Amino acid sequence: DQQVKQNSPSLSVQEGRISILNCDYTNSMFDYFLWYKKYPAEGPTFLISISSIKDKNEDGRFTVFLNKSAKHLSLHIVPSQPGDSAVYFCAARDGSNYQLIWGAGTKLIIKP
Amino acid sequence: EPEVTQTPSHQVTQMGQEVILRCVPISNHLYFYWYRQILGQKVEFLVSFYNNEISEKSEIFDDQFSVERPDGSNFTLKIRSTKLEDSAMYFCASSEAFYEQFFGPGTRLTVL
Repeated sequence: DQQVKQNSPSLSVQEGRISILNCDYTNSMFDYFLWYKKYPAEGPTFLISISSIKDKNEDGRFTVFLNKSAKHLSLHIVPSQPGDSAVYFCAARDGSNYQLIWGAGTKLIIKP
Repeated sequence: EPEVTQTPSHQVTQMGQEVILRCVPISNHLYFYWYRQILGQKVEFLVSFYNNEISEKSEIFDDQFSVERPDGSNFTLKIRSTKLEDSAMYFCASSEAFYEQFFGPGTRLTVL
């Protein structure tokens, strides 16, 4: 039962262009969403989050959009840089027990 | 910048042996977590800990697992009798509240 889905296992983007990573969820109890970035052999690093009462949150090159009616969120990175190459995880907090439920991750490759 | 640390970085053990994975959370954080990631699979929640007791645990966290905060700084995960399928990266995380969790670099557990 995949409550958080990241349907693209990988994504390749030209340096300088926009990277868009997508995430879908099924549980209406999710009230907070987070994006984490992970390099090989390291722990996940928090990037940006959004509360379910908002539809957009921006932090520098990173913007997260939330469409509650579609149960969809996306992470936009613009402009993409080589250091952005990593695996990106979408995670959702279950408001009933505060557990974080994770997606399977999307490997982002930024081409020079 | 404060960070979560974990030791050891890599633990190799024989099946049936006990292992203790150690974590030092960020000092002013009150909530502590353990996650695991089996190679090639998604990050999975194991347990959350607050006020010296388990607040939530997943189905994975069975009687073979236990957590402890033996002093004011360490947070440990013990696996009593390791199985081959316990081989994974184990990540510790901490948070001030039920929002952004900050992760350690992980301990790679290899059960032979």
